[in-house]
Amino acid sequence: KAGVTQTPRYLIKTRGQQVTLSCSPISGHRSVSWYQQTPGQGLQFLFEYFSETQRNKGNFPGRFSGRQFSNSRSEMNVSTLELGDSALYLCASRPGTHFSTDTQYFGPGTRLTVL
Amino acid sequence: KQEVTQIPAALSVPEGENLVLNCSFTDSAIYNLQWFRQDPGKGLTSLLLIQSSQREQTSGRLNASLDKSSGRSTLYIAASQPGDSATYLCAVRDDYKLSFGAGTTVTVRA
Repeated sequence: KAGVTQTPRYLIKTRGQQVTLSCSPISGHRSVSWYQQTPGQGLQFLFEYFSETQRNKGNFPGRFSGRQFSNSRSEMNVSTLELGDSALYLCASRPGTHFSTDTQYFGPGTRLTVL
Repeated sequence: KQEVTQIPAALSVPEGENLVLNCSFTDSAIYNLQWFRQDPGKGLTSLLLIQSSQREQTSGRLNASLDKSSGRSTLYIAASQPGDSATYLCAVRDDYKLSFGAGTTVTVRA
């Protein structure tokens, strides 16, 4: 099976712009999560989607949003970019069968740089 | 709020030595604990998942233990190789999200 894929791999934006990141989960996986990784804060949870519904959202401002499509692919959007949004954004998928047994598989990430 | 701590933050060993990486968490209400590996600038690779009802899991040279009541997990890597050099992260799953430790950066010297 192909792994989790993320596009684009690298992005450079300026403050005030908006950006959309895309994630394709492993075939058959119904749950997609997004995480932000920075040197200072480590890995922080953004949100999780299951069958097109947002199940949970982390402690991030409303500028961060996402959605999941019927084929389980997911996008996240960040509006009005700030310098502090520079980070590695990681997408993860899991089967969506059960929390106890579901291994979470991560994509290679999108490196976002805000100038 | 779940707090996950990994000690030490960095570790350097000669090739062939066994590695012991520690992870502790504050809230025992978890579904599972996962160990991941991250190479510089890359995504996370899942190494092992231990369900909350299990005590240990093994995969090749890797063995991970879980003591949920004391909030601790240990990852053992036998006979380390230079290719094992990476950052190792542990994460615990509740019904909300994965909570990650800051990681242990391992360097295996040839």
